Amino acid sequence: KNEVEQSPQNLTAQEGEFITINCSYSVGISALHWLQQHPGGGIVSLFMLSSGKKKHGRLIATINIQEKHSSLHITASHPRDSAVYICAVVMDSNYQLIWGAGTKLIIKP
Amino acid sequence: EPEVTQTPSHQVTQMGQEVILRCVPISNHLYFYWYRQILGQKVEFLVSFYNNEISEKSEIFDDQFSVERPDGSNFTLKIRSTKLEDSAMYFCASSRDRVDEQYFGPGTRLTVT
Repeated sequence: KNEVEQSPQNLTAQEGEFITINCSYSVGISALHWLQQHPGGGIVSLFMLSSGKKKHGRLIATINIQEKHSSLHITASHPRDSAVYICAVVMDSNYQLIWGAGTKLIIKP
Repeated sequence: EPEVTQTPSHQVTQMGQEVILRCVPISNHLYFYWYRQILGQKVEFLVSFYNNEISEKSEIFDDQFSVERPDGSNFTLKIRSTKLEDSAMYFCASSRDRVDEQYFGPGTRLTVT
């Protein structure tokens, strides 16, 4: 059983579209991370949140603790946003970071 | 901007050999981590390290793995006797606090033949 589920697995959109990636988890958490993995493999942290909403540029992350759900939104998407976006949760029992399988996003010009 | 570095970027080794993967975390960070990603699969937690000892480890982190902070800057992952299934990308990360943003190194691709 996967503790962290992401949807969709793959997403292709046109430049300028509003993008939403969803993450659901089944364990108690201290925090949730959204990360970006580039084709070369490098991982960059985008957000860490434990409640509410955070915004950075065109990226917005929200979390609903009661529903155990988080979303990552990208406004005015651009081809350079093409990457794998990963949700990962910090388990409150042992502080291990448990990763989702990722959403592969392709933005076409 | 400070960054986490890892060496080597790619290591090829024969089955049964020992390998040491090296990481230099960000200097004022206190928590250090190793993760692995087998090709085409999700990233998996291996171990976290704080105050010169392991704070958490996963089931993957068995007796053939060990971690060490031999000096004030390096953080190493040793695999004693490599197996074919150890082939993966290994990422090091560090953070200031236990629940905080983690900064990742570029990874070491380990290939066991």
